Amino acid sequence: GQSLEQPSEVTAVEGAIVQINCTYQTSGFYGLSWYQQHDGGAPTFLSYNALDGLEETGRFSSFLSRSDSYGYLLLQELQMKDSASYFCAVSSGYSTLTFGKGTMLLVSP
Amino acid sequence: DTGVSQNPRHKITKRGQNVTFRCDPISEHNRLYWYRQTLGQGPEFLTYFQNEAQLEKSRLLSDRFSAERPKGSFSTLEIQRTEQGDSAMYLCASIVPGQLNTEAFFGQGTRLTVV
Repeated sequence: GQSLEQPSEVTAVEGAIVQINCTYQTSGFYGLSWYQQHDGGAPTFLSYNALDGLEETGRFSSFLSRSDSYGYLLLQELQMKDSASYFCAVSSGYSTLTFGKGTMLLVSP
Repeated sequence: DTGVSQNPRHKITKRGQNVTFRCDPISEHNRLYWYRQTLGQGPEFLTYFQNEAQLEKSRLLSDRFSAERPKGSFSTLEIQRTEQGDSAMYLCASIVPGQLNTEAFFGQGTRLTVV
């Protein structure tokens, strides 16, 4: 089976940088994804890492270390609108996409 | 609107009743997933279709749950004899064919409340 661990809550101020960590245990690992979900909204895709290293998409970056079964999402220049829940998700082939329990990010002025 | 569409958005039902939800994925996406999400938790995998074939079901999915995707387009999720523990958001997602699970497109979900 698969299991993912991420912090339940992270707080930061506008303009700051925050890192949300994710460790996973899985069989047949293909990649690690990150999703954002605002209250009452649908999860939306942010990034995907299949290989070790850093992927950058605007203010958001995602990192993966396959040997450590670890990844993180880095959010820079935080804005109030970034307050949301962030989920890491493990892909195990074409079928299974397993989500963590999520990290609630609270951005204050 | 070419996104994933789910209906109804909200459903309140009495315990013991049957309910059915519908998901219309993005038209060219042949892979479709159903998830359940409760407050403060991540989406929990229920089942997966590739075209009309149901290829995987979660062990957590009881016999009261059934899903279909009759022509490989829209899908339905039925819950029979609903229980209060079934109260949750039911999410549908679809994925571009030929890709690994790199980007899932989610619908807005159906929020079920069993009273």
